[in-house]
Amino acid sequence: DTAVSQTPKYLVTQMGNDKSIKCEQNLGHDTMYWYKQDSKKFLKIMFSYNNKELIINETVPNRFSPKSPDKAHLNLHINSLELGDSAVYFCASSQELRNIEAFFGQGTRLTVV
Amino acid sequence: GDSVTQMEGPVTLSEEAFLTINCTYTATGYPSLFWYVQYPGEGLQLLLKATKADDKGSNKGFEATYRKETTSFHLEKGSVQVSDSAVYFCALSDLRGAQKLVFGQGTRLTINP
Repeated sequence: DTAVSQTPKYLVTQMGNDKSIKCEQNLGHDTMYWYKQDSKKFLKIMFSYNNKELIINETVPNRFSPKSPDKAHLNLHINSLELGDSAVYFCASSQELRNIEAFFGQGTRLTVV
Repeated sequence: GDSVTQMEGPVTLSEEAFLTINCTYTATGYPSLFWYVQYPGEGLQLLLKATKADDKGSNKGFEATYRKETTSFHLEKGSVQVSDSAVYFCALSDLRGAQKLVFGQGTRLTINP
């Protein structure tokens, strides 16, 4: 069983479109995250949720809107996609809000053309 | 703010060579330190961790020691294998700071047979 699963794995779309990436974890963790990995492999946090409550919003454009219907799911919706949004997006989860040992999904490679 | 600096890659070694990937950090509080590994086309996996000064994390032949005096957490392996080829990320989470992982820029490691 996959611990943290994201769909889709690949996403190619045109500028201006709206798209969503889904994430689910079956680890029973309380905290979930979205990270963005750019073309140089640099990883940066975008959002974190703890028990469905937004904890971190790391100066991400408001075109990005996370939604957590329950603590096992954290979806990422992106409006009006731009070329610069092309990246690999990773979902992750951890049991604790502090002393984080995170489990990552396999990533979603988003390409905006 | 908190930051992590890793040695520049890429690093190319022959099989059975000794590996060191340097990592230093800056943190205002008392961080936990991690090494994550990303194999081609996959998400990040936790390789090892250390939660306090002088702790040694180890896994799969890799080791790293939490050195508070030098603010370092260098990754070492005595004899690398072709299967160790991957991107390695040093990261910290600060128990007193924001509840997130802060990553270094990653080091790409290639092992030649």
